[in-house]
Amino acid sequence: GGIITQTPKFLIGQEGQKLTLKCQQNFNHDTMYWYRQDSGKGLRLIYYSITENDLQKGDLSEGYDASREKKSSFSLTVTSAQKNEMAVFLCASTPSGTGGKEQYFGPGTRLTVL
Amino acid sequence: GEKVEQHESTLSVREGDSAVINCTYTDTASSYFPWYKQEAGKSLHFVIDIRSNVDRKQSQRLIVLLDKKAKRFSLHITATQPEDSAIYFCAASTQGGRALIFGTGTTVSVSP
Repeated sequence: GGIITQTPKFLIGQEGQKLTLKCQQNFNHDTMYWYRQDSGKGLRLIYYSITENDLQKGDLSEGYDASREKKSSFSLTVTSAQKNEMAVFLCASTPSGTGGKEQYFGPGTRLTVL
Repeated sequence: GEKVEQHESTLSVREGDSAVINCTYTDTASSYFPWYKQEAGKSLHFVIDIRSNVDRKQSQRLIVLLDKKAKRFSLHITATQPEDSAIYFCAASTQGGRALIFGTGTTVSVSP
């Protein structure tokens, strides 16, 4: 088995601040994802990466940057936190290839912007 | 952009009854349809999936049906138990199968 860890678990920021969230997986999966979960809106894809140094934009990429420096880790940066923003950011990973495969999710980072 | 619509936002059932969650999708290229469960305070985990080459799949008390013509798929939870209470998300593959679009979630409550 494997595990996905996300740090930090809780993140409190100020309006306009640049904030970085980190994700690590030891499944040896090729593809990793960042989602944002808002109450009542399901999960929305921000970025994903199919291999090291690859980045693909999701529907919600504006306002975010991502970085995949190595296979096991995927970082997400909120470029300018919005006042009163509250959301949970979920990282996930899956083995390579097309055709769809199960995604494994991390525990999430809960963001609050004051 | 492509969308997945999850029709029921909440569902309340009595223990032992069935719960049915319906989803529709827009991407005609979607070929993979997984379902995920999120229990209170926890992250998502995979429960069952169906691919476009079949129209029915069962895993224990879970049944997934797929109607490609109508671009509709559904999750049937039979003989519900209290531990089935959770938020369920449907999803459909997109971007050549490399990503998923999720529905907005259905909160299922099973009462004794």
